[in-house]
Amino acid sequence: DTGVSQDPRHKITKRGQNVTFRCDPISEHNRLYWYRQTLGQGPEFLTYFQNEAQLEKSRLLSDRFSAERPKGSFSTLEIQRTEQGDSAMYLCASSLTPSGVYEQYFGPGTRLTVT
Amino acid sequence: QQPVQSPQAVILREGEDAVINCSSSKALYSVHWYRQKHGEAPVFLMILLKGGEQKGHEKISASFNEKKQQSSLYLTASQLSYSGTYFCGTVGYNAGNMLTFGGGTRLMVKP
Repeated sequence: DTGVSQDPRHKITKRGQNVTFRCDPISEHNRLYWYRQTLGQGPEFLTYFQNEAQLEKSRLLSDRFSAERPKGSFSTLEIQRTEQGDSAMYLCASSLTPSGVYEQYFGPGTRLTVT
Repeated sequence: QQPVQSPQAVILREGEDAVINCSSSKALYSVHWYRQKHGEAPVFLMILLKGGEQKGHEKISASFNEKKQQSSLYLTASQLSYSGTYFCGTVGYNAGNMLTFGGGTRLMVKP
């Protein structure tokens, strides 16, 4: 399977704990995106990378959130001091961008529950 | 700035047609359509780039009116497998391909 993969698929944590999620994009895709989706809503953009450079961050992304893509391949999203409002599905997507506009392919997501 | 989708939900019998609309208050560079089934990732359907462009994918097609900042997704002769939530994602100019998704349209196809 050469699709986008995410790990873990589910994470339950206590409020105040730190969590880290991993995303492996489709091989050779140079752009990687993180989205958050709550029940009944569309995905909400968080941040994206082109290769290892983080080019855009949503204003909704608080200082407790940090993302990295150190070698331009996989990416991690860390949430520090989790709050109950962080409970959501965290989706990763990747795309190949030779030029122009291009479709994004989503991974299965990591469902975070903060208790 | 989130695009508005309508209707919010629709129930069809197998074989019936449906139209899902997506409207934005800002100028759009492209519109992307996705379908998401419960508990699964959104699946890419199609992307529309130019004003007036229309595309088709089996019995699912879409149009994009750049001047009106609107897009519509057409599902004809619906099948049970079409059930799910449909999202439009819009990209504005100078937005770096950042998708802004609508609230979704829940489609249920019954036998």
